[in-house]
Amino acid sequence: GAGVSQSPSNKVTEKGKDVELRCDPISGHTALYWYRQSLGQGLEFLIYFQGNSAPDKSGLPSDRFSAERTGGSVSTLTIQRTQQEDSAVYLCASSLMRGLNTEAFFGQGTRLTVV
Amino acid sequence: DQQVKQNSPSLSVQEGRISILNCDYTNSMFDYFLWYKKYPAEGPTFLISISSIKDKNEDGRFTVFLNKSAKHLSLHIVPSQPGDSAVYFCAARSGGSNYKLTFGKGTLLTVNP
Repeated sequence: GAGVSQSPSNKVTEKGKDVELRCDPISGHTALYWYRQSLGQGLEFLIYFQGNSAPDKSGLPSDRFSAERTGGSVSTLTIQRTQQEDSAVYLCASSLMRGLNTEAFFGQGTRLTVV
Repeated sequence: DQQVKQNSPSLSVQEGRISILNCDYTNSMFDYFLWYKKYPAEGPTFLISISSIKDKNEDGRFTVFLNKSAKHLSLHIVPSQPGDSAVYFCAARSGGSNYKLTFGKGTLLTVNP
């Protein structure tokens, strides 16, 4: 597809379980972002991959959260031992890293519900 | 510390009138600013952007103004249409080779017919 693809679109999990969220960025995009939006809140930055540089993990809320980007393409966000406060929509975006005028394109998001 | 602030959580406007959405930032290193629109159950979609070397960018009904000295930008929509009703996010990009985007908390715009 031409856009950013995220899977699953919805995930319900029990408290304490681990979950993996997947993001397929737009082909050729070298920057990849993860954000989350909790109910009634704005977009909270989680992690950012930029080309071959070390990722910016400064937004990850705890060590239960981790993310990988394999081969510079697909990314997986993993949440271990999920808690109810992890419930949110997790959004992935990608962008070209070329010049000044580049925008990030978002996927539809994964709605995570921890029960 | 929130580097991008949208102080109005909501705005209500009559159809045909102008909508003005505001955004303030604190980091003087930001060099590029973007506005995104988000409908419920969808990802944000890019709307319009402006480089820090400009003070205005226009695209159809949408115009973004940047006041660097005040660290303030605004999005003007005129005329407003009911289909413009959505959450609008302001975002700023860190300078240089860093493409990280920092978002505000968003403003819910409601355009009443």
